[in-house]
Amino acid sequence: QVQLVESGGGVVQPGRSLRLSCAASGFTFSSYAMHWVRQAPGKGLDWVATISYDGGVKYFADSVKGRFTISRDNSKNILYLQMNSLRGEDTAVYYCAKDTFLTGTSAFDSWGQGTLVTVSS
Amino acid sequence: QSVLTQPPSASGTPGQRVTISCSGRNSNIGTTTVNWYQHLPGSAPRLLIYTNTQRPSGVPDRFSASKSGTSASLAISGLQSEDEADYYCAAWDDSLNGWVFGGGTKLTVL
Repeated sequence: QVQLVESGGGVVQPGRSLRLSCAASGFTFSSYAMHWVRQAPGKGLDWVATISYDGGVKYFADSVKGRFTISRDNSKNILYLQMNSLRGEDTAVYYCAKDTFLTGTSAFDSWGQGTLVTVSS
Repeated sequence: QSVLTQPPSASGTPGQRVTISCSGRNSNIGTTTVNWYQHLPGSAPRLLIYTNTQRPSGVPDRFSASKSGTSASLAISGLQSEDEADYYCAAWDDSLNGWVFGGGTKLTVL
């Protein structure tokens, strides 16, 4: 059974950094692309970033490009999201999600429960 | 403002059939496939439909979807109280080189 568990959320001041982690189990992590998706309070789902199965290809939403980095450790089955220069509009629940395929352009078939990031002074 | 356009709300009574529309562009729905997600507040989102019309195992056949041109729609028949949730369409956008979501439709079962 696929399990995705996010961690690393919390309260952070504007301009500071935070790193989220997503521990994966129940599937061959190194065979699937992974994603980060967020939901700001009272808003809808908002795609953040995608990484291919081997980390060779990465995609970012324009709103986070240059500030966020996505990476993965296939030896530890962990997905990361490094968030720098955080802004108030980055406040959201952050979900990691598994893709159905290698490249990350198919569908998000499993999701974690999310971790809350609050950017506030 | 979301790249994909959905109605903000929909409603129906138990047993009824409701549809939710999703409108996009040539660079996303017109070229790639559409997925649908169900999201109950406080829970993890759930994949409901992938590749325009396909249901993952475990999703009841009351849920169906279609796509035509740059639009797609989700249909829920035999509406049940547990279907009350937010529904999102999503597609890969070849111009943006990223995923785009609809703004979400809040379904209320009256």
